[in-house]
Amino acid sequence: AQSVTQLGSHVSVSEGALVLLRCNYSSSVPPYLFWYVQYPNQGLQLLLKYTTGATLVKGINGFEAEFKKSETSFHLTKPSAHMSDAAEYFCAVSESGANSKLTFGKGITLSVRP
Amino acid sequence: GAVVSQHPSWVICKSGTSVKIECRSLDFQATTMFWYRQFPKQSLMLMATSNEGSKATYEQGVEKDKFLINHASLTLSTLTVTSAHPEDSSFYICSAGGTSGRGRETQYFGPGTRLLVL
Repeated sequence: AQSVTQLGSHVSVSEGALVLLRCNYSSSVPPYLFWYVQYPNQGLQLLLKYTTGATLVKGINGFEAEFKKSETSFHLTKPSAHMSDAAEYFCAVSESGANSKLTFGKGITLSVRP
Repeated sequence: GAVVSQHPSWVICKSGTSVKIECRSLDFQATTMFWYRQFPKQSLMLMATSNEGSKATYEQGVEKDKFLINHASLTLSTLTVTSAHPEDSSFYICSAGGTSGRGRETQYFGPGTRLLVL
């Protein structure tokens, strides 16, 4: 079985500050890892994904995440927060590609202060 | 990017009625579609996985007779909430994955359907 832990439910940063959203996973097979963003009353938008290869993954909107197998982590970062980054962020894990079910963490709400 | 649509985006119905939600993959062949349910301020919970032409696989605790899923083509899956009750009120989201093209490596999510049962 797979699981995802996202500690905390809310992160607040100032505009221009570093964003760090933590994600730890558990998987008995090499994982596929994902970060999604959700704006109110909308579906999920893929920010970035790790499948194989390079462990530092760059995504859209300036976000990136690093797969650390030894730490079973896949933390999401952005050097400088923008007001438009305020949203709900979900980390997810699956066993393989697009036809494998996703297991989501409980999500983290990111607030950005002016 | 790939587009998955859902219809309707909002639905309000009376208790006891049935509601059908459509999920369409617009630009790739979706061999697998997933249906999720999301309560306010909570994460997405997988309800079922459907493969084109096959019966859906339901997650533990999800009533298959209440949540009917049909995946009759590579571009369309439907979720029917039968005899809906207020506790079925939720945000339902579908996602689609394929075996070729852009749908091969990741699922693409629909915009969701908000169901309110009075």
